[in-house]
Amino acid sequence: AQKITQTQPGMFVQEKEAVTLDCTYDTSDPSYGLFWYKQPSSGEMIFLIYQGSYDQQNATEGRYSLNFQKARKSANLVISASQLGDSAMYFCAMREDTTGNQFYFGTGTSLTVIP
Amino acid sequence: ETGVTQTPRHLVMGMTNKKSLKCEQHLGHNAMYWYKQSAKKPLELMFVYNFKEQTENNSVPSRFSPECPNSSHLFLHLHTLQPEDSALYLCASSQDLRGGRAAETQYFGPGTRLLVL
Repeated sequence: AQKITQTQPGMFVQEKEAVTLDCTYDTSDPSYGLFWYKQPSSGEMIFLIYQGSYDQQNATEGRYSLNFQKARKSANLVISASQLGDSAMYFCAMREDTTGNQFYFGTGTSLTVIP
Repeated sequence: ETGVTQTPRHLVMGMTNKKSLKCEQHLGHNAMYWYKQSAKKPLELMFVYNFKEQTENNSVPSRFSPECPNSSHLFLHLHTLQPEDSALYLCASSQDLRGGRAAETQYFGPGTRLLVL
């Protein structure tokens, strides 16, 4: 079974608007971390935000926030005030404490910001 | 300047060639990773090294051979590849994540775009 599911292959958003990128995950490990990465066309994966399974509050980093719903096993990324430079692929990933260095990635969502 | 560098950035090779990809990290990390990224597929973890020792090998064909001479350098030696091996190969590094440290992320290099003809 897929550990990470991203159901939106492509998304469009108007500049300055907010957008939500969906991510659901599957794990039986009580301790895990969820990550979002941005991949511009240049190829490098850029770490954006982290949410721990025991964190009580949703993570925020500047214009990025993570809508963490543990019971639903979802970890959606919200980008506020979209900018043209936000156009990129976005990947959701998970690491379980019991599996050491293994990161599981989704198939990604391509975001296009429209001027 | 990125903390993880990869060379070459682009590589075209024939199926009978031998080539190597190089990765170097300047972050003081002790774990390094090779991933394969193909279109419309999740990133595939290929190899993991912790303190220069290989700890993961996810059923990767023997035509891919990793080498980790020290904690800062990682190589991927390529030999008699197939056209389906064409992909973006990403290197990453992190602290050793075994035994917890769930908040630690990986840091990625820019990747090598490989085309096998």
